[in-house]
Amino acid sequence: GQQVMQIPQYQHVQEGEDFTTYCNSSTTLSNIQWYKQRPGGHPVFLIQLVKSGEVKKQKRLTFQFGEAKKNSSLHITATQTTDVGTYFCAGLVLTGGGNKLTFGTGTQLKVEL
Amino acid sequence: DAGITQSPRHKVTETGTPVTLRCHQTENHRYMYWYRQDPGHGLRLIHYSYGVKDTDKGEVSDGYSVSRSKTEDFLLTLESATSSQTSVYFCAISETGGNYGYTFGSGTRLTVV
Repeated sequence: GQQVMQIPQYQHVQEGEDFTTYCNSSTTLSNIQWYKQRPGGHPVFLIQLVKSGEVKKQKRLTFQFGEAKKNSSLHITATQTTDVGTYFCAGLVLTGGGNKLTFGTGTQLKVEL
Repeated sequence: DAGITQSPRHKVTETGTPVTLRCHQTENHRYMYWYRQDPGHGLRLIHYSYGVKDTDKGEVSDGYSVSRSKTEDFLLTLESATSSQTSVYFCAISETGGNYGYTFGSGTRLTVV
């Protein structure tokens, strides 16, 4: 079945440093979505990428979708303590069996002062 | 998030007992999903629904059943709870089934002793 791998599993950074998490799918994706989960909270949708090579920005966050639509990355510039949480990618593959996302294993980000 | 609630928020139950978790939405979304979240595994799909009385299995469906008799309610039943089913369970809803982000409930923390 479809697999979505995410690295690294954990990342500790000093406040102000940059952070990147990478997502790789075993199959070509229709779209890729990114979610953030704060400690003790639930996943919250951040953004969706659909086109090959697409790049989107949200303030200090930059999201990229690979040319082959099998990989993606999330880059945070100058991390802040409010960035703490686990970041998940989720890939959509359209099949005849119904639409559902496959989530990556997540990257847990800790930001130290 | 507004529009989706899970109950109960916390539950402790004994091995071998049946348990039902409820997900209720007020958004009239067609798609509903049950995920479990465990350390190192991310979010894994248990079952999903694409309409009233229309459900299908996810990747970790063994030991679980679901029912959806109304658009707004999606029930997850652990037929005979085991310690391996100790987890955090999230319900999610989607209008399009994956062509835009899912909205997650606040989760149910289930402990099987």
